[in-house]
Amino acid sequence: SAVISQKPSRDICQRGTSLTIQCQVDSQVTMMFWYRQQPGQSLTLIATANQGSEATYESGFVIDKFPISRPNLTFSTLTVSNMSPEDSSIYLCSVAGTTRYNEQFFGPGTRLTVL
Amino acid sequence: DAKTTQPPSMDCAEGRAANLPCNHSTISGNEYVYWYRQIHSQGPQYIIHGLKNNETNEMASLIITEDRKSSTLILPHATLRDTAVYYCIVRGFGNEKLTFGTGTRLTIIP
Repeated sequence: SAVISQKPSRDICQRGTSLTIQCQVDSQVTMMFWYRQQPGQSLTLIATANQGSEATYESGFVIDKFPISRPNLTFSTLTVSNMSPEDSSIYLCSVAGTTRYNEQFFGPGTRLTVL
Repeated sequence: DAKTTQPPSMDCAEGRAANLPCNHSTISGNEYVYWYRQIHSQGPQYIIHGLKNNETNEMASLIITEDRKSSTLILPHATLRDTAVYYCIVRGFGNEKLTFGTGTRLTIIP
């Protein structure tokens, strides 16, 4: 399985600002994903980060609010823009494509609190 | 992907086998059953998956009924570190997205 790190591990931000979360993998992976986990809730897929092209967003998520970059096969960023308290969540990246059955492996998450 | 139904919570005594059920009555022939768990404040961890045969690895066993409409994850000797939320997910091979339900919160009791 891949080793995944995220930065920052947690942050407290002011309303109206933006935060960029980084996801770094120790090997090249074909697929990278970004999830959100709101307090006390399950995980919800935000988007699939595509290398060399625009991310594919799930229903309810838009590029203006959650711009995503994936410049290569080991790195991706998710920006949470113009934040409000409702954006307080854990944001997790995951990867797939390192094993035969494409299991997903998750990073440790970034805990975001918006005041 | 087919939806799954799991009990919201379960308790299990330390050292005993923990059996976590999952219903997936609308599963189709090319869909796999995956199990993940999320220990508090960590990212989800892959446990095991299967198509129609029972599977076992170093973490757990997965028993899938013959009609594939339900399955059971078995942790043979539960420890306190197995306390977590366990997610049963049905996913078609080639569809890499995971749709997480509410899962089962398993508490291991000393």
